[in-house]
Amino acid sequence: EVQLVESGGGVVQPGGSLRLSCAASGFTFDDYAMHWVRQAPGKGLEWVSLISGDGGSTYYADSVKGRFTISRDNSKNSLYLQMNSLRTEDTALYYCAKSQLGTFHGDYDYWGQGTLVTVSS
Amino acid sequence: QSALTQPASVSGSPGQSITISCTGTSSDVGSYNLVSWYQQHPGKAPKLMIYEGSKRPSGVSNRFSGSKSGNTASLTISGLQAEDEADYYCCSYAGSHVVFGGGTKLTVL
Repeated sequence: EVQLVESGGGVVQPGGSLRLSCAASGFTFDDYAMHWVRQAPGKGLEWVSLISGDGGSTYYADSVKGRFTISRDNSKNSLYLQMNSLRTEDTALYYCAKSQLGTFHGDYDYWGQGTLVTVSS
Repeated sequence: QSALTQPASVSGSPGQSITISCTGTSSDVGSYNLVSWYQQHPGKAPKLMIYEGSKRPSGVSNRFSGSKSGNTASLTISGLQAEDEADYYCCSYAGSHVVFGGGTKLTVL
């Protein structure tokens, strides 16, 4: 059974940093590109970042480029999102998501439960 | 990286059909047949309903169908049921990134 379990969310002041983790199981992790998608309270979904299966390619939304870094450790079946210079508008539930066919496409067949990041002074 | 455009809300009565549109540009929806649709109930993670424009994942009812014309994709739900009431999001691959629509709230009257 595929499982994605996020952790690392919390309350942080503007300008601060957080590192999110996503533990994956039930599939061959390094065969799949992985994505982060966020959802601000009461708002819609926003794509954040993606990383290829081997970790060699990464892409970011303009809203987080230069502040967030996506990475993965295939030996630990884990995905990460390092978030620096956090802003109040980064407040959201952050989901890790598995692309159905292992591609960069936005066809996510499995999502985690999300981890809440709150940026507030 | 502009969001795709969806109507904020649609409604229909049980048994009727509704269609939700999703308008992008020639850089996303128009360039790739890689639009997916998600259903999200309150407090739940999104669920994949349609991928690659018109394909249904295993287990998704054939009441859900997808199509595309030019820069606009559409999700049609036929035979509306009470449990279809939810938020729906379109999503498109756009070359080096992914873009979502703003979401549509479906109300089953």
